[in-house]
Amino acid sequence: IQLTQSPSFLSASVGDRVTITCRASQAINGYLAWYQQKAGKAPRLLIYAASTLQSGVPSRFSGGGSGTEFTLTVTSLQAEDFATYYCQQLDSYPLTFGGGTRVEI
Amino acid sequence: EVQVVESGGGLVQPGGSLRLSCAASGFTFRIYAMDWVRQASGKGLEWVSAISTDSKSRYYADSVKGRFTISRDNSKNTLYLEMNTLSVEDTARYFCAKRAGETATTRQADYWGQGTLVTVSS
Repeated sequence: IQLTQSPSFLSASVGDRVTITCRASQAINGYLAWYQQKAGKAPRLLIYAASTLQSGVPSRFSGGGSGTEFTLTVTSLQAEDFATYYCQQLDSYPLTFGGGTRVEI
Repeated sequence: EVQVVESGGGLVQPGGSLRLSCAASGFTFRIYAMDWVRQASGKGLEWVSAISTDSKSRYYADSVKGRFTISRDNSKNTLYLEMNTLSVEDTARYFCAKRAGETATTRQADYWGQGTLVTVSS
């Protein structure tokens, strides 16, 4: 299953609302996760099952979508949110990641 | 505190072999499936392999199938990745990740190590 993220690069300001899209090449039954990765660090789980917020993740992060199209939205972007975001499908093997979306100031 | 710590990376010549380890602590290792994920410098994440709690189910990316073998020792709380016939395309940081559970609804990786660097070069 191929995952296509858009945009691949996003320039935003603190306080902005941003939305990243992840499109799957076939339906994935909502088995989608979102991760945040900062430079030189391990990825961090943000969202799973398309829309469930991982414990400890701020509520300004939200996930949505179904079928083959999914979104990650950050309301009121904070300085610490500038990072690269990846989606991952967990429906079938081999598991796959999207190409990533880099969010920069 | 949940921790997974990778080791075993290094420089290896093309065609060579390497064995990565991932030491787990702070959780009941034997009841969680585990993954390996890699990332080449400046590139995105690539899922590599996964193993079930009882080692009966093992999954691989097409790019490593037949060359890499995932295994675990629940008595030692350790995950392994045996890598053979390495090529320059395998150069990457390799992350070990704990899954949230064993079922299809819990395949997401909720804890990650900092990774170990594998460099394949002559």
